Amino acid sequence: EAGVVQSPRYKIIEKKQPVAFWCNPISGHNTLYWYLQNLGQGPELLIRYENEEAVDDSQLPKDRFSAERLKGVDSTLKIQPAELGDSAVYLCASSLAGQMGDTQYFGPGTRLTVL
Amino acid sequence: KQEVTQIPAALSVPEGENLVLNCSFTDSAIYNLQWFRQDPGKGLTSLLLIQSSQREQTSGRLNASLDKSSGRSTLYIAASQPGDSATYLCAPSGGGADGLTFGKGTHLIIQP
Repeated sequence: EAGVVQSPRYKIIEKKQPVAFWCNPISGHNTLYWYLQNLGQGPELLIRYENEEAVDDSQLPKDRFSAERLKGVDSTLKIQPAELGDSAVYLCASSLAGQMGDTQYFGPGTRLTVL
Repeated sequence: KQEVTQIPAALSVPEGENLVLNCSFTDSAIYNLQWFRQDPGKGLTSLLLIQSSQREQTSGRLNASLDKSSGRSTLYIAASQPGDSATYLCAPSGGGADGLTFGKGTHLIIQP
């Protein structure tokens, strides 16, 4: 069974440029998460989707960040415009309600560097 | 707001030792708690999940315990190996599909 797929794995952009990250969750998983991980820190939740609905986006900086999960499968996280402080690893995770105690499975992440 | 603390922040031990990693959390109203490992430049790998009604879970050389009332969990690694070198993160969840709250992790080095 394929795991959570993310692309690109690495992205380098200049500040004020837009950037987008893509996530394909494990097949059949209804819940999808985006987390942000700064160097030396644990991941922090940005947004959670139940199918195509964003049910928790309280930590998403909505002035520059946006996300979508069309058809309740793949998801895209966008930053526009990017700032120097956005340099971090962006992790996507998925889970299936009631399966394995709602275990979350993580993708490899996208490492963003803003110059 | 849930806060998670992991002690020690870093640990270096010779191969073969048994070791304990500690995790404490401030809000005991959790649904479950997951332990992960993260290798440098990689995503997170789920190791164990303990439901709030459980006291412990075991997988191979790993054993995780949970004392919800005191807000503590421990990860016990038996007979450590160099391949166990990684950062270990604990993360409680407030609800079944809720986002996880992570600690900063314990950076573990097993010396050959």
